[in-house]
Amino acid sequence: DVKVTQSSRYLVKRTGEKVFLECVQDMDHENMFWYRQDPGLGLRLIYFSYDVKMKEKGDIPEGYSVSREKKERFSLILESASTNQTSMYLCASSPLGTGMAEAFFGQGTRLTVV
Amino acid sequence: GDSVTQMEGPVTLSEEAFLTINCTYTATGYPSLFWYVQYPGEGLQLLLKATKADDKGSNKGFEATYRKETTSFHLEKGSVQVSDSAVYFCALSQVEYGNKLVFGAGTILRVKS
Repeated sequence: DVKVTQSSRYLVKRTGEKVFLECVQDMDHENMFWYRQDPGLGLRLIYFSYDVKMKEKGDIPEGYSVSREKKERFSLILESASTNQTSMYLCASSPLGTGMAEAFFGQGTRLTVV
Repeated sequence: GDSVTQMEGPVTLSEEAFLTINCTYTATGYPSLFWYVQYPGEGLQLLLKATKADDKGSNKGFEATYRKETTSFHLEKGSVQVSDSAVYFCALSQVEYGNKLVFGAGTILRVKS
């Protein structure tokens, strides 16, 4: 069964902490994405990656960075967590090169910054 | 840039009622269109998709038709069940942009027995 796995379902962190959210996919997909989900705003793209060591900013990259050292793993980093980064974070992956591609999502990480 | 607009919720229906959730889009090219569903406490799952004009996507009794002339992809179901209660997201993607998904705000559906 194909999978996108996020390392934590729930996290509570303190303001100013450096936070790592990990995502692993087992489908050999080229594309990986990080979104945040907030009520009334839907999903907003933070960063995405087409390949190892490549990254592109999405719509709301401020306060975040990413790392993709291996094809299957895409990490989201909050350099200095703030309360306005309290949200649900969703990782997704998809294959490159076809408009038919469906994105596969992880189960989400609900991050609370206190 | 590309965008997706969905009807605001929450939508509350009785079991066996007819469901329509409106979705319209703005895109520069010819996007693929998707409906995703998020059940309580879970991540998003693909519900159905369509890749070109007049295509109809269908799954689990839900269907949506890609209408290029009205730039719409409305979700319908003839008879909803309590288990359909979830958040529904309309989305588009384009090959030219690496299949990056652009989502609507989501519509909460509540079905009462």
